[in-house]
Amino acid sequence: NAGVTQTPKFQVLKTGQSMTLQCAQDMNHNSMYWYRQDPGMGLRLIYYSASEGTTDKGEVPNGYNVSRLNKREFSLRLESAAPSQTSVYFCASSAGQDFGYTFGSGTRLTVV
Amino acid sequence: QKEVEQDPGPLSVPEGAIVSLNCTYSNSAFQYFMWYRQYSRKGPELLMYTYSSGNKEDGRFTAQVDKSSKYISLFIRDSQPSDSATYLCAMGYGGSQGNLIFGKGTKLSVKP
Repeated sequence: NAGVTQTPKFQVLKTGQSMTLQCAQDMNHNSMYWYRQDPGMGLRLIYYSASEGTTDKGEVPNGYNVSRLNKREFSLRLESAAPSQTSVYFCASSAGQDFGYTFGSGTRLTVV
Repeated sequence: QKEVEQDPGPLSVPEGAIVSLNCTYSNSAFQYFMWYRQYSRKGPELLMYTYSSGNKEDGRFTAQVDKSSKYISLFIRDSQPSDSATYLCAMGYGGSQGNLIFGKGTKLSVKP
């Protein structure tokens, strides 16, 4: 049972480039989330999807877009990467907002 | 005042010590409380989950919630080097009233 799978695990981008981070879960969870984690800042919610077909902004949505492709997949897109977006990105899923989250192993993104 | 406060540490203890990790919160509307463990370069994993005030035990781990003082703790008995990780508290409102709020994490090192 894979849980939450994120790809890629590592990425280096040049300023202004675009990319999509992929996330898929195989637990039939309704809710999915994208976080970024920076030293001293903790986990910050970028976007979330409470259920298939819905997406909402979190604490730090600027510079990002998301797509809930189906119940399993939730992607995060950086249209024009900036050095401030250098971070570790985690995808998570849960059966609902009352339940614990299952996290993926993360994508380490560096923007130069 | 931030909703959830957590001492970032780092905390260094000798093997076998009892460890106490703590979070305070400001919003009495929080209904459920969790602790996550995050090993270096990994995603957070759910360790403990509780709804009510009081203690919940799981092996060497005890989660304690004091709603009257808005204070939660995680105790680790007979700490092991394998417990070395960052521990994040998280809290939720319940129902469909928002997502988990995470503390910034406390980094624990257990020395052999």
